[in-house]
Amino acid sequence: RKEVEQDPGPFNVPEGATVAFNCTYSNSASQSFFWYRQDCRKEPKLLMSVYSSGNEDGRFTAQLNRASQYISLLIRDSKLSDSATYLCAVKGSGNTPLVFGKGTRLSVIA
Amino acid sequence: SAVISQKPSRDICQRGTSLTIQCQVDSQVTMMFWYRQQPGQSLTLIATANQGSEATYESGFVIDKFPISRPNLTFSTLTVSNMSPEDSSIYLCSLAGGFSDTQYFGPGTRLTVL
Repeated sequence: RKEVEQDPGPFNVPEGATVAFNCTYSNSASQSFFWYRQDCRKEPKLLMSVYSSGNEDGRFTAQLNRASQYISLLIRDSKLSDSATYLCAVKGSGNTPLVFGKGTRLSVIA
Repeated sequence: SAVISQKPSRDICQRGTSLTIQCQVDSQVTMMFWYRQQPGQSLTLIATANQGSEATYESGFVIDKFPISRPNLTFSTLTVSNMSPEDSSIYLCSLAGGFSDTQYFGPGTRLTVL
């Protein structure tokens, strides 16, 4: 079983749609959780951290369920500019590196 | 966040040759990592670059193939040795440290091996 698994995608949605990405992780000792966005031929960029209480940043909402070892990202009112690959990332305590899921590609269509 | 630069941004190399990739950060950071992203795949950690000592490699990666240096807190190199077409990939340096556990990435080096 892979350490971090994501919906395979791709997701093709019309502008204005709401889309949800899911991610599960296998290491129950994981401490920190993130969503990154990667545009084609670019490096991953941090989209948002994910906290147990859930967090929202504009149209983006991230949630964490530690009991189920599950992370989600919700994008409301999708824009064309949201088209990208969304990567789930998990890390342990201290200075351990991030472990990434394979990513889910999103295409928002006019 | 720190500014991270990588050189070269891309290269096309012949089989059997070696390429050294440089990663420069504009501030001192605690942790530096090297990742690989093969076409259509996610990021795979190659190693943690330790300042002043040997890098810590992940399973499947060895020092002879991917020697890494980190002479100080702002600079690291990754060499891809004796390249084969299977080494064609994007190589990314990443850093972490300070008060946040977030990681940031350099712009990547796109390597094609013929």
